[in-house]
Amino acid sequence: AQTVTQSQPEMSVQEAETVTLSCTYDTSESDYYLFWYKQPPSRQMILVIRQEAYKQQNATENRFSVNFQKAAKSFSLKISDSQLGDAAMYFCAYRRGLNFGNEKLTFGTGTRLTIIP
Amino acid sequence: DVKVTQSSRYLVKRTGEKVFLECVQDMDHENMFWYRQDPGLGLRLIYFSYDVKMKEKGDIPEGYSVSREKKERFSLILESASTNQTSMYLCASYSGTFAYEQYFGPGTRLTVT
Repeated sequence: AQTVTQSQPEMSVQEAETVTLSCTYDTSESDYYLFWYKQPPSRQMILVIRQEAYKQQNATENRFSVNFQKAAKSFSLKISDSQLGDAAMYFCAYRRGLNFGNEKLTFGTGTRLTIIP
Repeated sequence: DVKVTQSSRYLVKRTGEKVFLECVQDMDHENMFWYRQDPGLGLRLIYFSYDVKMKEKGDIPEGYSVSREKKERFSLILESASTNQTSMYLCASYSGTFAYEQYFGPGTRLTVT
């Protein structure tokens, strides 16, 4: 069974600084997707970024980027120039590839990120 | 924009009551999910559905059942609510065609007293 581990229950960062959230996963598959989801205090979960396992290039979305280390099964999220609106719970998630058809997501336990003004 | 709505943001029920949580999505998504979110445990999958009248158990189905009579609606049922079912419940959906992103509802905070 696939597992996703987030070892940092809480993190904090000064506004405008950079922070990295860690995620490791365990799978025997070679075709899969990884995601970072953000859940602000209002509770609506939204997708931040996704990474396809077959792509060697790390995904980037504006101030958000990932460091995908396939061999090490590591998938960290870097937030640059942190803003107050980045304060949220961040969840790492995994799903098997599209060849497996309809698939569920497996989530980590989350990291609560606090932004210090 | 995809919209996933849930029938209540906050709900208080008594032990032993039958509880219905409803989720509606407006994007014709085939796949719908019910998660439970608890501090330190992340999101755990209760049930999911790939199509109308189809359902599959997730990781923690005990004490829950589901119903999907229409494509846009997925209901979670607590047959006899217990205090250990006090939690945040999140509904999500995604299209089988664009299976990259799950869209989430705002959540229902259920308290069972």
